Amino acid sequence: QKEVEQDPGPLSVPEGAIVSLNCTYSNSAFQYFMWYRQYSRKGPELLMYTYSSGNKEDGRFTAQVDKSSKYISLFIRDSQPSDSATYLCAMSALQDGNKLVFGAGTILRVKS
Amino acid sequence: DSGVTQTPKHLITATGQRVTLRCSPRSGDLSVYWYQQSLDQGLQFLIQYYNGEERAKGNILERFSAQQFPDLHSELNLSSLELGDSALYFCASSARGGFSYNEQFFGPGTRLTVL
Repeated sequence: QKEVEQDPGPLSVPEGAIVSLNCTYSNSAFQYFMWYRQYSRKGPELLMYTYSSGNKEDGRFTAQVDKSSKYISLFIRDSQPSDSATYLCAMSALQDGNKLVFGAGTILRVKS
Repeated sequence: DSGVTQTPKHLITATGQRVTLRCSPRSGDLSVYWYQQSLDQGLQFLIQYYNGEERAKGNILERFSAQQFPDLHSELNLSSLELGDSALYFCASSARGGFSYNEQFFGPGTRLTVL
């Protein structure tokens, strides 16, 4: 079993929809939770990070972490065709320094 | 543009060969990380260097090695290449490498194809 599980999709939604992306994890030592966006043939870029449990909002993006359930989510409101990309969740534990453990990535397609 | 540069962009080589991938971190960043991205394994951490010293190691094969030089650029050496080593190799950098959150900035990657 992988440390971080993420449904690879693809997820196809119409423009303007609310998108929900999720990851589950097994390592209770994870404390930092991140969402990266990766366009085709590019490097991942950080969208948001959250420390421990709670919510964080940045524009159209909201990240949620529920450590008791070992479950994290990313919501995208008013999705745009430019949001079409692969979304990767990533996590790290203090004891492992800054090493990131990634989910498989979810391919998102927003249709105009 | 993240400020992290990687060369070459593409590399095609044969099984059994050895290649070197190069990474220049963002100006001022002391830590460099190497990741491998393949279709079956996803994005996996290989190794981290901080100010010239190895800081953390992931599932890096013994055929692979890395180093960080005094000017902070890093090289990843892959030897005795196998077909399964074909992947995208990303370098990332962060300001520090200690035991607190440091945002990692990823380079554009090197696509390695082993024939």
